[in-house]
Amino acid sequence: DAKTTQPTSMDCAEGRAANLPCNHSTISGNEYVYWYRQIHSQGPQYIIHGLKNNETNEMASLIITEDRKSSTLILPHATLRDTAVYYCIACSTGTASKLTFGTGTRLQVTL
Amino acid sequence: KAGVTQTPRYLIKTRGQQVTLSCSPISGHRSVSWYQQTPGQGLQFLFEYFSETQRNKGNFPGRFSGRQFSNSRSEMNVSTLELGDSALYLCASSLLAGGPSNEQFFGPGTRLTVL
Repeated sequence: DAKTTQPTSMDCAEGRAANLPCNHSTISGNEYVYWYRQIHSQGPQYIIHGLKNNETNEMASLIITEDRKSSTLILPHATLRDTAVYYCIACSTGTASKLTFGTGTRLQVTL
Repeated sequence: KAGVTQTPRYLIKTRGQQVTLSCSPISGHRSVSWYQQTPGQGLQFLFEYFSETQRNKGNFPGRFSGRQFSNSRSEMNVSTLELGDSALYLCASSLLAGGPSNEQFFGPGTRLTVL
């Protein structure tokens, strides 16, 4: 799986958009970008994934650059409940059941 | 639809003992993966089972083992417990082992403390 790099921490005001970047410059053609988050003391929660097209679901949007070397997870209207550690993972669907988690980005949403 | 359940939620053991943790996946899910989470090492993959067969294994000693039953429920066992085995053990299930939408659904975890 390709290595991913994320900022250690970020802050966001409640109601504003949270934009979480991820660098995956060595991603290969068959690797997807997955995003999970882990709220304190809970199991990780799947958010979204994509291959090369931008994706949107009820939780977030995923913007992948054309060269696929980086991506951004967007939470359009962050709430206090979005405070969590966000993990960006690049892996093929064949390895999506054995995820390699990095250190992630700790997002703190504040009033 | 019920989520992934893990039992017990909390467990205290002493060094040298063994422990068995249980995971019930989401109904219809056939793949079950186990992870260990510690403050020092973060989230690390232990192993994955699909249709009662171990498909993938992480870099953990042989003291860590698992199995999956015909109803997809899974157990993991740790023998000869060490202090360093204190961790949150997470189970995740997915519909298939592989495929374009192979997101994993995690349970709440079992917090194991080894004294």
